[in-house]
Amino acid sequence: NAGVTQTPKFRVLKTGQSMTLLCAQDMNHEYMYWYRQDPGMGLRLIHYSVGEGTTAKGEVPDGYNVSRLKKQNFLLGLESAAPSQTSVYFCASRRHGGAGGELFFGEGSRLTVL
Amino acid sequence: TQLLEQSPQFLSIQEGENLTVYCNSSSVFSSLQWYRQEPGEGPVLLVTVVTGGEVKKLKRLTFQFGDARKDSSLHITAAQPGDTGLYLCAGGLPSGTYKYIFGTGTRLKVLA
Repeated sequence: NAGVTQTPKFRVLKTGQSMTLLCAQDMNHEYMYWYRQDPGMGLRLIHYSVGEGTTAKGEVPDGYNVSRLKKQNFLLGLESAAPSQTSVYFCASRRHGGAGGELFFGEGSRLTVL
Repeated sequence: TQLLEQSPQFLSIQEGENLTVYCNSSSVFSSLQWYRQEPGEGPVLLVTVVTGGEVKKLKRLTFQFGDARKDSSLHITAAQPGDTGLYLCAGGLPSGTYKYIFGTGTRLKVLA
């Protein structure tokens, strides 16, 4: 089972460049999430989606945009990258919205902005 | 604003010792989960607790959800090197938006 797949796994950008991270899940999950992980900060929620065509802001949405045009894909975009966006990004999915549903994570995408 | 604070942030212990990790908040959660993350990988779920006061045991790991559903603890008995990793608690917000907020993390190293 592929589960949750993130591409690319590594990327180096220059300040001001744009890029898109792709998350794909093959579990037919309704809910998808993008988190960033920084040392000592745990995981912070950037944006999330509760279904195809829907998106919502998380804790740290500034500088990011997302789209969920297809149920299985959740894209995270950086329009003008900044050094503060250097981080490891994790995508996760969840089957349903009831309390306690398990989050399934990808392996992460390490982004460095110079 | 970080809603979930974990303590300690770092912990280095000898094999065989016991330890407890705490996850605290001023917010009420509909559920509380614990994940473990190893280097280069995403977090993996260990347990979910949904009822205030609930205690769950998973082999040498004991998880407890506070009575008021604002805090949780993870206790490991007789730690082993294989327990080494980053432990993260995650709270489900009860507002109906189904967001999961993660704690600041506890990095555990168990020395053989």
